[in-house]
This record gives sequence, C-alpha cells and structure tokens, in this order.
Amino acid sequence: DQQVKQNSPSLSVQEGRISILNCDYTNSMFDYFLWYKKYPAEGPTFLISISSIKDKNEDGRFTVFLNKSAKHLSLHIVPSQPGDSAVYFCAASAINRGSTLGRLYFGRGTQLTVWP
Amino acid sequence: DTAVSQTPKYLVTQMGNDKSIKCEQNLGHDTMYWYKQDSKKFLKIMFSYNNKELIINETVPNRFSPKSPDKAHLNLHINSLELGDSAVYFCASSQGYNEQFFGPGTRLTVL
Repeated sequence: DQQVKQNSPSLSVQEGRISILNCDYTNSMFDYFLWYKKYPAEGPTFLISISSIKDKNEDGRFTVFLNKSAKHLSLHIVPSQPGDSAVYFCAASAINRGSTLGRLYFGRGTQLTVWP
Repeated sequence: DTAVSQTPKYLVTQMGNDKSIKCEQNLGHDTMYWYKQDSKKFLKIMFSYNNKELIINETVPNRFSPKSPDKAHLNLHINSLELGDSAVYFCASSQGYNEQFFGPGTRLTVL
C-alpha cells in the first residue's frame, strides 16, 4: 500500500519556465517531507525538506509547498534548467509521531525533462 | 571524497549463489540503511542500523542479512540468490532524523 504517491511518471518543461512536481500522501501522521533528485546510475541526493509546521520552504530556485488539509505537497523549480532533468522522489516521515528512526516512505518518482 | 560508497557497483551472478555488498560512510553519521529499488522503481527500506543496533527490519526474506561491524559500515549479505532479487540496492546514512545521504547503488543481476 503506497502511502506516498506521485501520480505523474513524467513531466516535460521548456528551459526558463516553471516545473511543478506533485506528491500526495495518505498517512495523516506524516510530519516531515523531503524531495530527492536522482540522476541515472547515481543515488538519490537530498534537495529540500519541509516540516508540517510550515506550508512553504524555499531554497534558491526550489520551493516546496505543503497543503496538510489536502495531504498534498509540490516542488516548484523556477527557472527550470536542462541540468534539472532527473527523477524527483517525494518522501515522507512521521518524526514526531513515534515513527521508527529514519523510516522514510518514498513515492515512485517523476522524470523531469527540461528542454532548451 | 565520497560520502557514502558502495562496492561493487555492478554484480552479476547465478541463482543459488551467495553474495555481499559493502557500504561505508565517512560522514560520521549514526544511522545507516539499505534500500531496494525494484523494476517498478519503488524505493523500499529493508534495514536500518543506529549505532550498530538493528532498528528497522522490514519483511524481507531471511536470506538477506545485514551486518554492521562499526558505525561507518553496513554490509548486506544475500544467500541463495533468486531471480527476484535482481534490483538496485542503495545504502544510505543519516544523523538521527536528518536527511539521508545515499550511495551510488549496486545493480544486482541474478541469472
């Protein structure tokens, strides 16, 4: 049973425009969310995170928005660059709800392609 | 300097064999993990160790056995390999609940 879902397997965006990657979750106990980026033949690399006490977190071109009532988060990349082309994984954890240390639940990933 | 390293990067072997994948982290983290990414691209946790103590042990066949000789190492031993074990295995580490850092992955192919 997938508790974290990324329903779009792929997204194609022109360079310079905004990329919006979406993620939904079902477990209301989740209180910490992360985005990872993965290039082929490499491991996932941490990109940005957000705690459930916030609804927005920004780091340079990357912004994550959290809508707890809808159990939805999104990652915005502005402006998109060809080097952003990768698979983006959404992950969630229940840090303050007694979750086992380090247990992350991952979505299936969205392949982002940024074309010139 | 590589933060989380795994060896080997590729592993091709016959059914029934026993193999090991090694993982080392030089970040000083106290928690290490093994994940499996299957053909459907799902990343699922298999095991985690905190200060050499097993704290997550998902429902995986007991043919899989993790071993943590010290906080910087977490190895994965797999006995009697089966076709369904073919996948990419990722090692990761973290300091407590902070974000996890992943290794480059080991692509295991069982023939």
